[in-house]
Amino acid sequence: GAGVSQTPSNKVTEKGKYVELRCDPISGHTALYWYRQSLGQGPEFLIYFQGTGAADDSGLPNDRFFAVRPEGSVSTLKIQRTERGDSAVYLCASSLTLAGGREQFFGPGTRLTVL
Amino acid sequence: AQSVTQPDIHITVSEGASLELRCNYSYGATPYLFWYVQSPGQGLQLLLKYFSGDTLVQGIKGFEAEFKRSQSSFNLRKPSVHWSDAAEYFCAVGRRGSQGNLIFGKGTKLSVKP
Repeated sequence: GAGVSQTPSNKVTEKGKYVELRCDPISGHTALYWYRQSLGQGPEFLIYFQGTGAADDSGLPNDRFFAVRPEGSVSTLKIQRTERGDSAVYLCASSLTLAGGREQFFGPGTRLTVL
Repeated sequence: AQSVTQPDIHITVSEGASLELRCNYSYGATPYLFWYVQSPGQGLQLLLKYFSGDTLVQGIKGFEAEFKRSQSSFNLRKPSVHWSDAAEYFCAVGRRGSQGNLIFGKGTKLSVKP
């Protein structure tokens, strides 16, 4: 079946602009995660959802970052007033449930470049 | 706080040689443990995972890993490396219970020379 998809694959924007990154999880997966991977680093947790609600958003770096999952499937990560330091690959993952230990299936990521 | 350390940033091995990638974690209890591989331009792929039981875990592509509680380690091994194994490898821990996010190490880049 289809895996996790993310659009766009690449996004170049200017400092101060608003961007939206989309994640389409595997069908039937109730848990969805966003991670950010900076150059030379491992993925860092941002937020995860169980269904429509954000179960934990403690990884969001500041209030410029926001994510939604209105119908419990597709999720959008929104970044306001982008800064050069936001440049990174944003990864989305999904799993059957939120229970710790469930395998997370990752999408290919969106590479965000802020000029 | 939980953390994962991969002490080797970059490793080069010859094709056919054995491989061991190190991973140490800091966690108050026994976590779930994972190894993922990331090839250029591709998403993270799960190689293997440890939840409980047998401390030697077999994964895909001929990889295995051994959980050593006394050393807080979960090292990844392969007896004979193939050129296609060149990639970046990430160790991750997951907390037991309902907190499902993973904590990743910084990764080890593997190069394979002919």
